[in-house]
Amino acid sequence: KAGVTQTPRYLIKTRGQQVTLSCSPISGHRSVSWYQQTPGQGLQFLFEYFSETQRNKGNFPGRFSGRQFSNSRSEMNVSTLELGDSALYLCASSSTGGWNTEAFFGQGTRLTVV
Amino acid sequence: GNSVTQMEGPVTLSEEAFLTINCTYTATGYPSLFWYVQYPGEGLQLLLKATKADDKGSNKGFEATYRKETTSFHLEKGSVQVSDSAVYFCAQNYGGSQGNLIFGKGTKLSVKP
Repeated sequence: KAGVTQTPRYLIKTRGQQVTLSCSPISGHRSVSWYQQTPGQGLQFLFEYFSETQRNKGNFPGRFSGRQFSNSRSEMNVSTLELGDSALYLCASSSTGGWNTEAFFGQGTRLTVV
Repeated sequence: GNSVTQMEGPVTLSEEAFLTINCTYTATGYPSLFWYVQYPGEGLQLLLKATKADDKGSNKGFEATYRKETTSFHLEKGSVQVSDSAVYFCAQNYGGSQGNLIFGKGTKLSVKP
């Protein structure tokens, strides 16, 4: 069974640009969550999608957005990039996203903003 | 608000030493608690979990007990191996959804042969 796949693995962008990251969940999983990991702030929850609807959202500015497609694949977009957006972005999928279901993480996309 | 605090690292141990990584949480209500592990260059993997007070999660020789009275979920292993070298994250869920995991800052463990 294939795991959670995130593409690309590495990205270098310039301040002011926008970027789109992709996440393909485990087959059959309908919940996809996104997290930002930085050395200073650690792991922070961005948002969760379930059946194409945003179900939960963390405390990030509106420049961070996402969506989920009918096949459960998800994308997140960051507009007007800032240096502080440099981070490892992790995607996690679970069958229902419920409190008792395990979340499986991808290897992440390393975004560097210069 | 809800939060997770875990001991700062790095932690360096010799092979076969006893490991404890402390984790405490603050929460409204009774969250489920988790330990995740991150090996170099990889994403997070669930190590163990506990969903209610006094539950003990265990996996690969690691254990943690959900202590409501002390709001703690300390990770322990009796004899660590070099292959256990990784970053360990304590986490709680919030709002009843796995999508709302709140993580501690992580503890880097290095095990020397």
